Amino acid sequence: GAVVSQHPSWVICKSGTSVKIECRSLDFQATTMFWYRQFPKQSLMLMATSNEGSKATYEQGVEKDKFLINHASLTLSTLTVTSAHPEDSSFYICSANDRVLSLNYNEQFFGPGTRLTVL
Amino acid sequence: DAKTTQPTSMDCAEGRAANLPCNHSTISGNEYVYWYRQIHSQGPQYIIHGLKNNETNEMASLIITEDRKSSTLILPHATLRDTAVYYCIVRVRDQAGTALIFGKGTTLSVSS
Repeated sequence: GAVVSQHPSWVICKSGTSVKIECRSLDFQATTMFWYRQFPKQSLMLMATSNEGSKATYEQGVEKDKFLINHASLTLSTLTVTSAHPEDSSFYICSANDRVLSLNYNEQFFGPGTRLTVL
Repeated sequence: DAKTTQPTSMDCAEGRAANLPCNHSTISGNEYVYWYRQIHSQGPQYIIHGLKNNETNEMASLIITEDRKSSTLILPHATLRDTAVYYCIVRVRDQAGTALIFGKGTTLSVSS
């Protein structure tokens, strides 16, 4: 099956710094990637949808200037948490969609997640 | 997408079948039922999906009622590694550009 990787798997940073999280589709081209956030004991919350070569679409309540998303290629999307604060500490998960595979299989492939802790 | 209702939690003994219900009474004719699961601190994993016929794969079976208003995910022989949160999601099949929206899911605890 299709594989999605994330890097780093966990990161600890100081308040006020910026953190970049990478999401890669390893064996397919992802025309669309999604970013989710998950707080402890809660479900996944969709943050934004990114399409290769265009601006991301953010969900209501998600600050686009704080969570910068870049989807510069068909295999890579990045999420940068700018000026991170302790309340940004969360589990960030990306998923990718392959239009060809989605016709015959499931529609989204998820990465393993990135645990961000802001001190 | 239609709303789904799942029990908050369930327990299952190792080796027994785990039957996880999902209600989706407002499902429309072109919406599929998908099941994903999330093991602690990992990304969600696809399990199975179906439209109206029962489906089976190497992981589980999906039983959809004739009126399609509810479904049951069956793990035939649960193991400790099946302890996870299970999400039932209803959505139209050809929505490749739209995200999966997760509800609260069912926390399944498998014990020895």
